[in-house]
Amino acid sequence: EAQVTQNPRYLITVTGKKLTVTCSQNMNHEYMSWYRQDPGLGLRQIYYSMNVEVTDKGDVPEGYKVSRKEKRNFPLILESPSPNQTSLYFCASWKGGSYEQYFGPGTRLTVT
Amino acid sequence: GEDVEQSLFLSVREGDSSVINCTYTDSSSTYLYWYKQEPGAGLQLLTYIFSNMDMKQDQRLTVLLNKKDKHLSLRIADTQTGDSAIYFCAESDRMDSSYKLIFGSGTRLLVRP
Repeated sequence: EAQVTQNPRYLITVTGKKLTVTCSQNMNHEYMSWYRQDPGLGLRQIYYSMNVEVTDKGDVPEGYKVSRKEKRNFPLILESPSPNQTSLYFCASWKGGSYEQYFGPGTRLTVT
Repeated sequence: GEDVEQSLFLSVREGDSSVINCTYTDSSSTYLYWYKQEPGAGLQLLTYIFSNMDMKQDQRLTVLLNKKDKHLSLRIADTQTGDSAIYFCAESDRMDSSYKLIFGSGTRLLVRP
């Protein structure tokens, strides 16, 4: 089954404790992206990747890092999480030239 | 910069039509989209329209695009309780293959039995 998976689905952590949210897709898509969803703000892009080892900042990249060492994986790293990073995070992937993005189920992160 | 705006909430009775509205600012948008988010799930592409089209119909869904007013609407005919979800309007930011999406804030549709 074609899908985008994220882990964990739920995470509660404390300020300053490094964490990684994983994202994996099995559709051989070149493009991958991370979004955060906050009430009243819709989805905002954090980082995206055009292919292995090629990444670029989205609209809200501060406090986040990403890497793309393999085509299928695109982890989101929070080196020192803060409470304002409490949010619902979505990973998406899509094929170059295609208008449809495929979304993972989301990761709800709470930073206390 | 680009901006996409939607009303936050819509409540309709089962069997009625729903109309969800969206306005955008980027006149160079190539594609405009409607994504659906069901509770506890990710977003799924519902339908899309090219910027050179005025209308697109797909079963119970009708998308209308008014380029002059930069207004997009989604009409759901014979709305069912299973249509209760958040609906996001989005536009493509670029002409190239990256297809970066700019999302609105989402409209929560509640269908009353």
